[in-house]
Amino acid sequence: EVQLVESGGGLVQPGGSLRLSCAASGFTFSSYEMNWVRQAPGKGLEWVSYISSSGSTIYYADSVKGRFTISRDNAKNSLYLQMNSLRAEDTAVYYCARDISLDPWGQGTLVTVSS
Amino acid sequence: SYELTQPPSVSVSPGQTARITCSGDALPKKYAYWYQQKSGQAPVLVIYEDSKRPSGIPERFSGSSSGTMATLTISGAQVEDEADYYCYSTDSSGVFGGGTKLTVL
Repeated sequence: EVQLVESGGGLVQPGGSLRLSCAASGFTFSSYEMNWVRQAPGKGLEWVSYISSSGSTIYYADSVKGRFTISRDNAKNSLYLQMNSLRAEDTAVYYCARDISLDPWGQGTLVTVSS
Repeated sequence: SYELTQPPSVSVSPGQTARITCSGDALPKKYAYWYQQKSGQAPVLVIYEDSKRPSGIPERFSGSSSGTMATLTISGAQVEDEADYYCYSTDSSGVFGGGTKLTVL
């Protein structure tokens, strides 16, 4: 069964940092592009970042460019999102999703940025 | 970056056909994808590459695209189809539509 499990969310103060992880299983992780998508409370979906299967190509939404860093470890079947200089508006559930088609999604991890 | 525009809400009675539109200037050149999100759950892909249906998705879900508009059609909508639906497209970056709340009652 294909499965994605996010972790690392929590409460952080404005200006702080957090590192999210996404553990993949049930498929050949190294063969797939991956994405991070977020959803603020009561709001719609927002694409955050993309990484190619090898990690050589990376894209970011303008809203996080320069503050967030996506990476992956194919040997550990894991995807990461390093989030620095966090703002209140970064408060959201963060999902990892496989492939350009965003299928499937993990269950999400909640990041709350508040003092 | 470009935008995708969806109606905020669509309402149908059970058994009727629901159509949810998604408009965007990039759609003539890029595929549209559709996701269903039920309350408290992660999104699920229901249509990919404009009109393809993933395995396990009921046949009543279909998609089409023409010009700057993509459409998700639910033929014979069921009460369990009540959810938020999002369109999505991607080039070097991804963009979602604002989402459409489908009410079936």
